[in-house]
Parts: sequence; C-alpha cells; structure tokens
Amino acid sequence: SQTIHQWPATLVQPVGSPLSLECTVEGTSNPNLYWYRQAAGRGLQLLFYSVGIGQISSEVPQNLSASRPQDRQFILSSKKLLLSDSGFYLCASSGATNEKLFFGSGTQLSVL
Amino acid sequence: DAKTTQPPSMDCAEGRAANLPCNHSTISGNEYVYWYRQIHSQGPQYIIHGLKNNETNEMASLIITEDRKSSTLILPHATLRDTAVYYCIVRVYRSSNTGKLIFGQGTTLQVKP
Repeated sequence: SQTIHQWPATLVQPVGSPLSLECTVEGTSNPNLYWYRQAAGRGLQLLFYSVGIGQISSEVPQNLSASRPQDRQFILSSKKLLLSDSGFYLCASSGATNEKLFFGSGTQLSVL
Repeated sequence: DAKTTQPPSMDCAEGRAANLPCNHSTISGNEYVYWYRQIHSQGPQYIIHGLKNNETNEMASLIITEDRKSSTLILPHATLRDTAVYYCIVRVYRSSNTGKLIFGQGTTLQVKP
C-alpha cells in the first residue's frame, strides 16, 4: 500500500505571509495526487488534483496554487495567506486504477 | 457522480454492531459505493467498496439493496476506536475523471462504553 508523507503537522502563519506545504508519496509510481481542505466542522473540499508531473487541475477558484515538480511530490502554495485559508489540509494519492485514496496525516493551518 | 444522503449522527454501544445507512437513489449502473472514515484530526481511511454484491473485509461488511438505491455499512463489534465520521461516496470505478472523490458531510458515529 501507499504511504503519504505530509508536513508540517501544524502551522501558524500571519495574514499576508507565504505558504508552502509539501507532500511526498511512497509505494507507488505515477500516482494521481490530490489536495483537500477541511474547514472546522465541515466536510472535505477537493482543491487540486494532478495526473502527472506539471499537470494540475483546480477544482475551485481560490488564493492557493499547486505544483508537481516530481512524480511523487505535490506542493500546495500561496503568495499571501488570507484568514479564510485556515483549515486542515490533506494530501491524497491513488494508483492508476483509482480504486482507493490514501491520505496523509494532514496539516492544521491557522492564519492569524 | 450520484449524490448520497446519510444521517448526521448515530450512537452505538461498545461491542454491539453499528449499522450506518446511506441513500443513493440516483445511482447509475456503473457506479460503485465507497465508504471511508475519518477519526478526529486524521486523514480519511478507506474501509470498503462494492458494486451490487455484498462485500466483507477485515474492517466491515457492506450490504447493498437489490435496487442499489441504498446501502448499509456494518461494523460487527464496534469499539471506542471506531468513533469517527463515516463517509458514503458513490463514484464510477476506474473512470476517466481521475478518481476524484467528492465527500459529503458524513455520519458521526459515537461509540459509547
């Protein structure tokens, strides 16, 4: 099975500061990769997905961007954080068959 | 992908079976039913999935009605560690839509001693 490494576990950032969250995947090659966000008390919202290096699709308009510089590396970024960017960010991976999603342990981001 | 409806919360006594229902009345013939759960402050965990036959694995059983418009996830002997939010998702398997999963609000299962 796949292992998703996500860091940091918690992050507190001031409004207007940049953001970079990194996710790496072990145990598979050519995975589909995903970034989800979960606001407090809410469900998971799909933000971005990627089917290959340099290929990024955005699901919702927002202040964030994603990049995939390597096959098993997925990065979530922002140039200037907003208060509304606070939430629990999860990276996920699926194999070519898309049968199951494997999730990382998440990053709790607080923008103050 | 078809929409699902789940009760917002349920309680279950420890050691008893937990039966979590899900309605998916608009499901189409090539859509599978998936269940995930999310323990507080962790990433969701895959539990089980099925098309039309009942499925069982080491974690749970999935019962899908004959008309496929609803299903039930069964945790046969619930423990306190099964307290979590359970998500029922319907999607096409191996589709060309890159495997995106759209999560609803789920059911918060509280297992009580």
